[in-house]
Amino acid sequence: ILNVEQSPQSLHVQEGDSTNFTCSFPSSNFYALHWYRWETAKSPEALFVMTLNGDEKKKGRISATLNTKEGYSYLYIKGSQPEDSATYLCAYGGNDMRFGAGTRLTVKP
Amino acid sequence: ETGVTQSPTHLIKTRGQQVTLRCSSQSGHNTVSWYQQALGQGPQFIFQYYREEENGRGNFPPRFSGLQFPNYSSELNVNALELDDSALYLCASSGNDTQNQPQHFGDGTRLSIL
Repeated sequence: ILNVEQSPQSLHVQEGDSTNFTCSFPSSNFYALHWYRWETAKSPEALFVMTLNGDEKKKGRISATLNTKEGYSYLYIKGSQPEDSATYLCAYGGNDMRFGAGTRLTVKP
Repeated sequence: ETGVTQSPTHLIKTRGQQVTLRCSSQSGHNTVSWYQQALGQGPQFIFQYYREEENGRGNFPPRFSGLQFPNYSSELNVNALELDDSALYLCASSGNDTQNQPQHFGDGTRLSIL
């Protein structure tokens, strides 16, 4: 992995479903991994900053894990709600953050 | 606390022209990063400014230049505009420890090149 890759590209779930998506990044010379939520017509909003292997962070129904040795992070949403509909971006790096293309989540009522 | 503001919101230019985009950082933040987001892609790092000096640059040609002012606001200048420069330009501010602190983004400037 030379760049940051996110999967899936898009996801449609029903309200109440739990879901997760993946961010893959170069496993050498790890600096930090950021997750952002980007709602339509708004600016990206920071969710988590993760710096240590094995980090687990939680914010309400959203949580994230980090594995720096194998170069991936998972974002989980428990009991998805329509207001969770957004594009979820991960970014890796130091001063020069490299962003993935995002996972676009749509939660249907 | 004042958030990150960008101006203008939208801009239309023609090939060969020059453009200046502006960003006011969030109060208390001394670092500003600029990103270009083309359709279907994630934001691409252009450069970062810290205390009025460039502090890292992505893979963008020299016709992309910037400034940071003593109040930490910033400008992105693009000369000799090309069609491929059409994109959303995002500005983000943070404290000086960019990797360990979240970035706070503005709403972006949508630049269209005709």
